Amino acid sequence: DTAVSQTPKYLVTQMGNDKSIKCEQNLGHDTMYWYKQDSKKFLKIMFSYNNKELIINETVPNRFSPKSPDKAHLNLHINSLELGDSAVYFCASSQGQGVLGNQPQHFGDGTRLSIL
Amino acid sequence: EDQVTQSPEALRLQEGESSSLNCSYTVSGLRGLFWYRQDPGKGPEFLFTLYSAGEEKEKERLKATLTKKESFLHITAPKPEDSATYLCAQHSGYALNFGKGTSLLVTP
Repeated sequence: DTAVSQTPKYLVTQMGNDKSIKCEQNLGHDTMYWYKQDSKKFLKIMFSYNNKELIINETVPNRFSPKSPDKAHLNLHINSLELGDSAVYFCASSQGQGVLGNQPQHFGDGTRLSIL
Repeated sequence: EDQVTQSPEALRLQEGESSSLNCSYTVSGLRGLFWYRQDPGKGPEFLFTLYSAGEEKEKERLKATLTKKESFLHITAPKPEDSATYLCAQHSGYALNFGKGTSLLVTP
């Protein structure tokens, strides 16, 4: 039974389009995240979100926005896609954040986004 | 800004040849030092969390240790199935701050 699942696994689209990536976790965690892994395999945090607070990495363009319909889902919406957005996007979840914030994060298998 | 540096970038070992991967971190008030394994086309898989200097954790052929400035992932008598990218990360307070990883290849 998959703990953190993302759809789609692959996404190929044209520059300028708007797209969404879905993420669901069945671990009962209260915090979810989006990470971006570039072509050099470097993983960087984009967003951290629980039901109280959204924390945004200041380097993330405002074309990217997370949307959480409920505690188990955190979707990623991207507007006006650019060539540089091509990467693998990973969703993750964990229990707890803030002062403790030290619980392991569990990752999905990623969505490979390719911009033509 | 807090930084995590991993070395070497790539490591090739013969099956059974033990070695260590290094992770150097610069952070005040460490809230956890994490090791993950990532296979091609997959998400990072959690291995260990270390919280304080002197702490050690083991899982099969892997052993993680922590000092005030570094963490080591020791691989004893590796097998080809241990081939993967090993990622180290510190907790920044709201998310994980990853190093660039060590790509390990174990040949028969």
